[in-house]
Amino acid sequence: EVQLVQSGAEVKKPGESLRISCKGSGYSFTSYWISWVRQMPGKGLEWMGRIDPSDSYTNYSPSFQGHVTISADKSISTAYLQWSSLKASDTAMYYCARRHSYGYYFDYWGQGTLVTVSS
Amino acid sequence: QSALTQPASVSGSPGQSITISCTGTSSDVGSYNLVSWYQQHPGKAPKLMIYEVSKRPSGVSNRFSGSKSGNTASLTISGLQAEDEADYYCCSYAGSSLWVFGGGTKLTVL
Repeated sequence: EVQLVQSGAEVKKPGESLRISCKGSGYSFTSYWISWVRQMPGKGLEWMGRIDPSDSYTNYSPSFQGHVTISADKSISTAYLQWSSLKASDTAMYYCARRHSYGYYFDYWGQGTLVTVSS
Repeated sequence: QSALTQPASVSGSPGQSITISCTGTSSDVGSYNLVSWYQQHPGKAPKLMIYEVSKRPSGVSNRFSGSKSGNTASLTISGLQAEDEADYYCCSYAGSSLWVFGGGTKLTVL
């Protein structure tokens, strides 16, 4: 069974750093890109960027370029989303999603990680 | 790269049909037959309902269908049921390994 299991909820202060994770199982992790999607409270989905776990090549939405870093450790089938200095506006639910092998859509999603940034 | 445009809300009675539009540009929706639709119930992760404009994944009801004309894609749900009440998002490939979502549409089943 394909699963994407994300790390638990986080509460951080502005200026702190954070890395959240997304562990894939039930499939060949290096064969499928992973994307990260933001959902701010009461708002819609926003595509942030993606990584190819086989070579760690990344692409970012212009809206998120320079604000977050996506990485992966293929040895443990895990993708990451990290911030070096959080802002209150980073408060959101973050989902990881697997791109279908040869399609341009997301066939499996993680359960989401709620990040709360508050002083 | 702006979000695709969806109506904020639509509604329909059980048994009726509704259509949700998703308008993009010639750089995304208009350039590729790579529009997908996702259903999201409150507090849940999104679920793939339609891919490549009109294809349904295994397990998705045939009451859900998709189409596209020019820069606008559409999701139609026929025979509305109470469990269809959810938020719906379109998503389009935008080239150069980039994707863009729509703003989302809240479907209310009256």
